Amino acid sequence: KQEVTQIPAALSVPEGENLVLNCSFTDSAIYNLQWFRQDPGKGLTSLLLIQSSQREQTSGRLNASLDKSSGRSTLYIAASQPGDSATYLCAVKNNYQLIWGAGTKLIIKP
Amino acid sequence: DAMVIQNPRYQVTQFGKPVTLSCSQTLNHNVMYWYQQKSSQAPKLLFHYYDKDFNNEADTPDNFQSRRPNTSFCFLDIRSPGLGDAAMYLCATSRTFPGQGTDTQYFGPGTRLTVL
Repeated sequence: KQEVTQIPAALSVPEGENLVLNCSFTDSAIYNLQWFRQDPGKGLTSLLLIQSSQREQTSGRLNASLDKSSGRSTLYIAASQPGDSATYLCAVKNNYQLIWGAGTKLIIKP
Repeated sequence: DAMVIQNPRYQVTQFGKPVTLSCSQTLNHNVMYWYQQKSSQAPKLLFHYYDKDFNNEADTPDNFQSRRPNTSFCFLDIRSPGLGDAAMYLCATSRTFPGQGTDTQYFGPGTRLTVL
């Protein structure tokens, strides 16, 4: 059974720092992996989707990597801003559904 | 432009009083999903529709039902809400059949359900 883990559960860093969020999964037989952002009390916004054949995807200040063999993905945020404060969730796609991590709550201090 | 719309955004109901949550989409996607998300937890898939084909997760309580009268709309019915059903309910859509790996899911803003 696929399990997705995100560590740490919460992270607080000063504005301007580069940071890395981690996601690990137990079964490497995935179709893709996605990173989502969730603001408090709001829905989910897809940030990056990495297909199983890809190693990384980039969007602006965000870079996501995927290493299927080790069951790991990272989300790199460059030059963090207070507006980046949110919960970041990763999800892997097995068959028809997404298997979710519990998220990392990120706080960027001005 | 809103693509996945959920109404209402906040719903308060009484213990045992039936409630219906609504989701509509302007994307013309084949697949619609309902998730339950409790505080600080990952979203939990309740069921999904591929067109009119309904797929219930094995651990979704019988208290939860769903209807999809057409491509654009999907409803979540909670027949007798309990205190443990208080959560954020998220609707999502995707274009392709689940398992075709290239698609992403588009989420609505969610409905926060409070049970008194």
